[in-house]
Amino acid sequence: AQTVTQSQPEMSVQEAETVTLSCTYDTSESDYYLFWYKQPPSRQMILVIRQEAYKQQNATENRFSVNFQKAAKSFSLKISDSQLGDAAMYFCLSQGSNFGNEKLTFGTGTRLTIIP
Amino acid sequence: DTGVSQDPRHKITKRGQNVTFRCDPISEHNRLYWYRQTLGQGPEFLTYFQNEAQLEKSRLLSDRFSAERPKGSFSTLEIQRTEQGDSAMYLCASTKETGYYGYTFGSGTRLTVV
Repeated sequence: AQTVTQSQPEMSVQEAETVTLSCTYDTSESDYYLFWYKQPPSRQMILVIRQEAYKQQNATENRFSVNFQKAAKSFSLKISDSQLGDAAMYFCLSQGSNFGNEKLTFGTGTRLTIIP
Repeated sequence: DTGVSQDPRHKITKRGQNVTFRCDPISEHNRLYWYRQTLGQGPEFLTYFQNEAQLEKSRLLSDRFSAERPKGSFSTLEIQRTEQGDSAMYLCASTKETGYYGYTFGSGTRLTVV
């Protein structure tokens, strides 16, 4: 079984500043995927960034990067140069890679507010 | 392709009635997932399909819930004898193969049981 914990229900950041959202997970799988998705108000979920557990290198996508600490089972998201459009609920997700055990497990989310 | 479509967007039903939701995934996606999201919570897994085969069903899902994906294309989620606790957003997502390249989510069906 997999569990994902997001300990920050809400975060706020000044526009153009940097913010880090925390995520820890637990899994018995040897290989798995980790994701961050954002859910803007009344809109569908959008993939922000993904990471394969066997890859040591931290994933980056433009202003978004992760700090993946496999031993600590930590997967934090850093948003640089925050923009008003970044305001959303952010979910951390894990997914097993073994056939038949590939459901997504979501954290409870972090609501990010951008202060102009 | 316009993404994952869910129908209806909103459904209000009386307690005890049956409801059915539909999800049309992206055409080349062979995997389809159903999730339930209540206010302020992260989505909770219900079930998923690879093509027409239902690979896993949540133990949290009562016998009142059933899902199908005939011919491996669209999927339906039926809730029989609805209860007020069934009120939630029901999300559908699809992906190719293992999902590493990301999931495409629909906009959801919001169910209100009165």
